[in-house]
Amino acid sequence: SQTIHQWPATLVQPVGSPLSLECTVEGTSNPNLYWYRQAAGRGLQLLFYSVGIGQISSEVPQNLSASRPQDRQFILSSKKLLLSDSGFYLCAWSSGQGGNFGPGTRLTVT
Amino acid sequence: RKEVEQDPGPFNVPEGATVAFNCTYSNSASQSFFWYRQDCRKEPKLLMSVYSSGNEDGRFTAQLNRASQYISLLIRDSKLSDSATYLCVVNSMDSSYKLIFGSGTRLLVRP
Repeated sequence: SQTIHQWPATLVQPVGSPLSLECTVEGTSNPNLYWYRQAAGRGLQLLFYSVGIGQISSEVPQNLSASRPQDRQFILSSKKLLLSDSGFYLCAWSSGQGGNFGPGTRLTVT
Repeated sequence: RKEVEQDPGPFNVPEGATVAFNCTYSNSASQSFFWYRQDCRKEPKLLMSVYSSGNEDGRFTAQLNRASQYISLLIRDSKLSDSATYLCVVNSMDSSYKLIFGSGTRLLVRP
């Protein structure tokens, strides 16, 4: 079965600092991968998705970026965090039959 | 118009009650539909897929009405442990398989 790992679980970063969140998937090859963000009390917003190595699509303009250096690795980055970047970041895998999420990273930008 | 819309609730029901959630979607060509459950401060988890003929899993029944473009989830004999946010989800039509989420309906089951 497929397993998604995300780290760290929680993160507190000052405004203007860089960010790197990592997600890895086990148990599948060539998965479609996604980064979602959920602000407090809000729904899930799709940030990026990737259908293969080096292939990244952005859903919303922002100061975040994503990369997929390996088949089962998906990284979310920022050069300079904003207060509005605070939220719950979730990595997911999908096959068209629904999808599974990693445990998420709770980011607080101070 | 949002691609997937849900009543945010909360629905506050007693144990044992039957409760129903509805969800509407805007893309008439959508093919795959799901209900997810999200507990407080946790990741969403797949509850069940929604099939054209309707499907049941224990106390949970999901139905799809393509003509009206809505999806429903019925929970019978509510338990305290059913308290959570229920997310309606539609798969995109392209090869990206993007999961498009509604904002969720919150359910509170009281003793």
